[in-house]
Amino acid sequence: SYELTQPPSVSVSPGQTASITCSGDRLWNKYVSWYQQRPGQSPVLVIYQDSKRPSGIPERFSGSNSGNTATLTISGTQALDEADYYCQAWDSRMVFGGGTKLAVL
Amino acid sequence: EVQLVEFGGDLVQPGGSLRLSCAASGLTFRNYEMNWVRQTPGKGLEWVSFISSGGTTIHYADSVKGRFTISRDNAKNSLYLQMNTLRAEDTAVYYCASGYSSSWIDYWGLGTLVTVSS
Repeated sequence: SYELTQPPSVSVSPGQTASITCSGDRLWNKYVSWYQQRPGQSPVLVIYQDSKRPSGIPERFSGSNSGNTATLTISGTQALDEADYYCQAWDSRMVFGGGTKLAVL
Repeated sequence: EVQLVEFGGDLVQPGGSLRLSCAASGLTFRNYEMNWVRQTPGKGLEWVSFISSGGTTIHYADSVKGRFTISRDNAKNSLYLQMNTLRAEDTAVYYCASGYSSSWIDYWGLGTLVTVSS
């Protein structure tokens, strides 16, 4: 079965750029989405189709997908961006990465 | 405003059954693909099942295939998940989730907790 791999945790200083990676076989060939989940809340879509932002998502969130790795980039990271982030792709079924805890220190 | 509200979570014994429901509002339900996604407390997201907007295409995760059945009633703007032969490892918060495309999820419900324990 298809698998997506994320680092368990990423740390970033406020105002700096955070990058969260998601790896999978031939991932470039699939659309990747990213979800933010704050503690005690439901996930929220922040990136879809590799790099598109839903309405209401700040411009500091961006995405890319190349080769076997997709990346979620958060520019000018703020304290409120501290959350778990999950990548997701479709490979005859929906697949989620294991999630990355972003700490804003 | 899109709202997805799940109902039916409960404490059930191993081997038992439970039916989850999801009421959708604020979107043209019949145009949306629907999923159930679950999350064990403190753990990651696990996709459970998918049903296409018209109900003609259905997929299940291997972990629930043969035990869970997804269905929808577009006239009632509702999604369902019939869960049979429940196991301890099915314990999780179950989210109802919609997507205009099958490739991603636009909206998530608040979730309903299913606990399988004796």
